[in-house]
Amino acid sequence: GENVEQHPSTLSVQEGDSAVIKCTYSDSASNYFPWYKQELGKGPQLIIDIRSNVGEKKDQRIAVTLNKTAKHFSLHITETQPEDSAVYFCAAIPGGSYIPTFGRGTSLIVHP
Amino acid sequence: DAGVTQSPTHLIKTRGQQVTLRCSPKSGHDTVSWYQQALGQGPQFIFQYYEEEERQRGNFPDRFSGHQFPNYSSELNVNALLLGDSALYLCASNPSPVAFGSGTRLTVV
Repeated sequence: GENVEQHPSTLSVQEGDSAVIKCTYSDSASNYFPWYKQELGKGPQLIIDIRSNVGEKKDQRIAVTLNKTAKHFSLHITETQPEDSAVYFCAAIPGGSYIPTFGRGTSLIVHP
Repeated sequence: DAGVTQSPTHLIKTRGQQVTLRCSPKSGHDTVSWYQQALGQGPQFIFQYYEEEERQRGNFPDRFSGHQFPNYSSELNVNALLLGDSALYLCASNPSPVAFGSGTRLTVV
C-alpha cells in the first residue's frame, strides 16, 4: 500500500520567514495530494491540494509543488504569521481510491 | 451553513465496553468517512459510507462497524474496546476529505 513520509516533524521559524514542509510517497498510482492544517482541539482543515497533472499551485501565501518523477511534494508558506502555528499534514490518494494515506504531521511554530 | 458535526466531543469508556460515535455531514454532502487519529499521528482511514453502504474500508478489525442513515448522518461503533482504541475519531464528508469535524476524543481505561 501507499506510504507517505513527512519532514520535518517540528519546524520553528520567526514571523515573516518562509516555511517548507516536504513529503514523499511510494505508490505511483497516487494522483491527488491534499494538505491539511490542524489547530489544537479541531479537526484537520484542507488548505490546498494538487493533482498529478499539475506541477505547482498557489493560493496567496501558500504554494504546493509536485515532482511526480521523484514522488515528492512540498508545502511552502511565505511571510509566516503567528496564526500559521499548527500541525500540518500531507496526504496522498491513489486514483480510483477513496483511501488517503497521511503523513505523520509537522508541528509549525511561528515566533512573533 | 453547518459544517461536519460530531458527538460527543469527549468520552471515557472501560476496556471491553462498546461505544457509538455520531456524525452529521456538511449540508449537501452525501458521503461520510471515518478516521482514527492517535496522538502525534496522522489520521488513519477506517471506512467510508455512501448511499447507506460501506464503500471502502481501511485496515481495521471487524470490531469497528458503521452505519449511514437516509439523512446521510452516520454512526461509528466499536465493540470490545481495547486500551489501544484511545484516539481522536474524526468524521469527514465528501469522497475526498474536504471537511472534517472536530472529532470525538475517546479514552479507554
